Amino acid sequence: GESVGLHLPTLSVQEGDNSIINCAYSNSASDYFIWYKQESGKGPQFIIDIRSNMDKRQGQRVTVLLNKTVKHLSLQIAATQPGDSAVYFCAATNFGNEKLTFGTGTRLTIIP
Amino acid sequence: DGGITQSPKYLFRKEGQNVTLSCEQNLNHDAMYWYRQDPGQGLRLIYYSQIVNDFQKGDIAEGYSVSREKKESFPLTVTSAQKNPTAFYLCASSPRTQGGTEAFFGQGTRLTVV
Repeated sequence: GESVGLHLPTLSVQEGDNSIINCAYSNSASDYFIWYKQESGKGPQFIIDIRSNMDKRQGQRVTVLLNKTVKHLSLQIAATQPGDSAVYFCAATNFGNEKLTFGTGTRLTIIP
Repeated sequence: DGGITQSPKYLFRKEGQNVTLSCEQNLNHDAMYWYRQDPGQGLRLIYYSQIVNDFQKGDIAEGYSVSREKKESFPLTVTSAQKNPTAFYLCASSPRTQGGTEAFFGQGTRLTVV
């Protein structure tokens, strides 16, 4: 089966700085990865995804990097804002498997 | 507006009682999921359904039951057999396209056993 883990449970970043949240997965067959943001008391919201045929994907202020060799992905948030404070989860799955396996989450705190 | 709706937002249950959490989606998604989240923890899969009238156990199905009689509805019953039911419950759906796709989440139901 798949297991997904985040490297740091908490991360504090000064407002305006860039942040990097890291995630490791165990199943080399995993080929689709998602980052979610969860604010307190709410359901997770999709941020960005990446498929295994890519090693980088960019969105608005966010970039996901995938390193299949070491089974590692990261979420970079540029020019952090107070609204970025939340818990961030990575999730992984593979083609034909309907189950998303989630990591334990990193709580990102933006310091004003 | 399309989306996934969970109700109620907060639910209190006495020990020994069954309780049913509602999840409805109007996204025309085939797959639906129930996750449990404990404080400071990730999401653990309880049950999932890929198609109407079919569902599979997830990683922590004991003490829970589900039904999928309609495409848009996937209610979760927390039975008295669930030893530690107090948690935040999240329902999600996805369209089941090839190669995997994101799951869309509801806003969650916080269940407290009193």
